[in-house]
Amino acid sequence: EIVMTQSPATLSVSPGERATLSCRASQSLSSNLAWYQQKPGQAPRLLIYGASTRATGIPARFSGSGSGTEFTLTISSLESEDFAVYYCQQYTNWPPINFGQGTRLEIK
Amino acid sequence: EVQLVESGGDLVQPGGSLRLSCAASGFTFSNYWMTWVRQSPGKGLEWVANIKQDGSEKYYVDSVKGRFTISRDNAKNSLFLQMNSLRGEDTAVYYCARDGEWSRHYFDFWGQGTLVTVSS
Repeated sequence: EIVMTQSPATLSVSPGERATLSCRASQSLSSNLAWYQQKPGQAPRLLIYGASTRATGIPARFSGSGSGTEFTLTISSLESEDFAVYYCQQYTNWPPINFGQGTRLEIK
Repeated sequence: EVQLVESGGDLVQPGGSLRLSCAASGFTFSNYWMTWVRQSPGKGLEWVANIKQDGSEKYYVDSVKGRFTISRDNAKNSLFLQMNSLRGEDTAVYYCARDGEWSRHYFDFWGQGTLVTVSS
């Protein structure tokens, strides 16, 4: 089973600044990694799949990078609506399909 | 427009059963793997089960094997989750999700979720 570890657990950033979120896998994923955003009371929303491909309608300020076991989600210039919880998810070796524990992005 | 609408969540006693449904629209349902993901209160996301386009393959997280059954009705564009022998740790919001194109197992559309509470 692949274990997904996200860091940090909480990230405090000011609006307009850059946010960098990390996700590490216990085994190589190639590029089979997705990122999701979840706001309180809402379902998750797909941001990135294939480690770096933005999903339909996702703004260009969101970018994903990495391969193998180390991945990054970067939000280039934070807007107020970006403060949320972010999850990574692997889909290379399953079952199970595992998510990271999440990173809470909060306003500094 | 892709829509996934879950229903069937309720308060149920430990040991009880519940059947969740997910009504899909806006896409060719029979072309996609489908998945159930749950989220316990204040916790992260947990993949529960998925099912292949024709229902011939089904997979489950270990904690629900033998208790939960995923199924689908392609003629009615519906996904189901039969939950038996429910436990307190099954309390969660259950989301129905569509897998990605070409059978890639990320989730590009999600329903709004339905709450299952297991308590006496």
